[in-house]
Amino acid sequence: AQSVTQPDIHITVSEGASLELRCNYSYGATPYLFWYVQSPGQGLQLLLKYFSGDTLVQGIKGFEAEFKRSQSSFNLRKPSVHWSDAAEYFCAVGARAAGNKLTFGGGTRVLVKP
Amino acid sequence: KAGVTQTPRYLIKTRGQQVTLSCSPISGHRSVSWYQQTPGQGLQFLFEYFSETQRNKGNFPGRFSGRQFSNSRSEMNVSTLELGDSALYLCASSGGTGSAYNEQFFGPGTRLTVL
Repeated sequence: AQSVTQPDIHITVSEGASLELRCNYSYGATPYLFWYVQSPGQGLQLLLKYFSGDTLVQGIKGFEAEFKRSQSSFNLRKPSVHWSDAAEYFCAVGARAAGNKLTFGGGTRVLVKP
Repeated sequence: KAGVTQTPRYLIKTRGQQVTLSCSPISGHRSVSWYQQTPGQGLQFLFEYFSETQRNKGNFPGRFSGRQFSNSRSEMNVSTLELGDSALYLCASSGGTGSAYNEQFFGPGTRLTVL
């Protein structure tokens, strides 16, 4: 069975500073990996996805993530955070055999200090 | 293209009642998935429908059920509501071309409160 761990429940970062959110997954084969963002009272918006190929993936809003098979990780990064990046971020894993089912991590809430 | 729409956005029910939530996917999308989001359990997969057939099911009791219509709109039903069913219920749609995985687009959710 798939599982996803996001070790950091909360992260506080200053505006303009860099951000890195950690994600570790457990899955026997090559997974499909995703990062979603959720603003208060909103649904989930896809930031980026990894299916195969280049392990460094670029997404929207200046985010990128790197797939590291040896570490079973898919960490999300942004070089310079904006106040509008304050939200909750979810890492998710899917599998070809599981249809469109996603397994989500517990989420990381990001607070941005002025 | 219009996004995924969910109705109603907010709902208050009492224990023992039943509730039906609706999801209209993006035009042309054939797959609809449902998720429950709670502070304690996080985001959990309920089920997925593709071309009117349930393709996948999560670990929820039989009180949770769903269906999909020929126009791909989907409904989920929760019977005999319990306090623990209070949650944000999210619907996601994707192009769903059979076995291939497709990007999922989420709706804004229905906030269900059970009193």
